[in-house]
Amino acid sequence: EAEVAQSPRYKITEKSQAVAFWCDPISGHATLYWYRQILGQGPELLVQFQDESVVDDSQLPKDRFSAERLKGVDSTLKIQPAELGDSAMYLCASTLTGTGQETQYFGPGTRLLVL
Amino acid sequence: GNSVTQMEGPVTLSEEAFLTINCTYTATGYPSLFWYVQYPGEGLQLLLKATKADDKGSNKGFEATYRKETTSFHLEKGSVQVSDSAVYFCALSDRGFQKLVFGTGTRLLVSP
Repeated sequence: EAEVAQSPRYKITEKSQAVAFWCDPISGHATLYWYRQILGQGPELLVQFQDESVVDDSQLPKDRFSAERLKGVDSTLKIQPAELGDSAMYLCASTLTGTGQETQYFGPGTRLLVL
Repeated sequence: GNSVTQMEGPVTLSEEAFLTINCTYTATGYPSLFWYVQYPGEGLQLLLKATKADDKGSNKGFEATYRKETTSFHLEKGSVQVSDSAVYFCALSDRGFQKLVFGTGTRLLVSP
């Protein structure tokens, strides 16, 4: 069964350092989402891509976060510099076309701890 | 804006007990509704969904009915198992680009 891949699974860093997370969606899925899940809360959308284009980054803290999906396949989310409040689980999800009532398939997530 | 409200947990039950986790939503238009489950250390898995009013989603003994008149999508299961212990998230998406809006999650603990 096809799955969304994410790496690393765990990341510990010190504040002010740069970190990067990688996501490979299910093959053929045009829409890719990055969510942030703070402990004890539900995930919140950071950025949504349709192919290589950003369609929603309204909740992305653009002063320190960046995301790209250059060839419309895999994606990288970067934080520079990391802050203590960035400690969270970062989840990637994908859907085939991103419209209608499609199911979003989630990866296992990257758990970030900022010290 | 769109929002989802879930009952706070943890919900603690004995095996074979009846489960209800309440979920209500606020949305413009006619959203699709979802229940996702998250096991410890893992990502989210879709449990069930409903895309229009009066639809019933079901999977693995879990059920939820899309009630437009009460803006609710309560999750139920007739007989829980220890393996059902997890965090359950109610979520909605609009009809546009399908951004998911999640509730805060409800932790279910089932003891033998």
